[in-house]
Amino acid sequence: GENVEQHPSTLSVQEGDSAVIKCTYSDSASNYFPWYKQELGKGPQLIIDIRSNVGEKKDQRIAVTLNKTAKHFSLHITETQPEDSAVYFCAATLISGSARQLTFGSGTQLTVLP
Amino acid sequence: GAVVSQHPSRVICKSGTSVKIECRSLDFQATTMFWYRQFPKQSLMLMATSNEGSKATYEQGVEKDKFLINHASLTLSTLTVTSAHPEDSSFYICSAQGPNRYEQYFGPGTRLTVT
Repeated sequence: GENVEQHPSTLSVQEGDSAVIKCTYSDSASNYFPWYKQELGKGPQLIIDIRSNVGEKKDQRIAVTLNKTAKHFSLHITETQPEDSAVYFCAATLISGSARQLTFGSGTQLTVLP
Repeated sequence: GAVVSQHPSRVICKSGTSVKIECRSLDFQATTMFWYRQFPKQSLMLMATSNEGSKATYEQGVEKDKFLINHASLTLSTLTVTSAHPEDSSFYICSAQGPNRYEQYFGPGTRLTVT
């Protein structure tokens, strides 16, 4: 089965700096990679995702890059703000005709210092 | 994005009683919903996959007779924790597979405390 590793487990940055979170996956067949943001006491929120037919996707201050050969993908947050502080989870799965479960990374606690 | 609700957000119950948690997709139909459990400072642990009109598929180690799942319509799945015990205290989160059939949208979670 799929295994997703996520690093770092904690990350502190100064407001305005960039933050990068990295994940690696084991199953080369996986082709969908979402990122979730979870604030304390709340459910995860889908913030960006990427499919394996592209190498990069950007949405305002958030971007995700994918290297299929190396089987790793990264979340980049630029111009960080205190409200970006949360736990971020990466995930991977194979899109197919039937429902497929997501395999999650262990999470990264991001703290943006004002 | 698609909206998923959960009810209740918090529940406290006595040991031995049963608790039902509802998960609804508000603006889309979801043939598949997922139920997760999350312990403090840990990742999400998939408990079961719920498909509308059929029996749920449980992950290894999850007791299907204790965690009853019903997915009676395209917008509603329920998780019933039967004969709850303090060790069942946790944060339970549902997700629904989105209209594109690969995104998952999560509910806000339900904090269950069993006394």
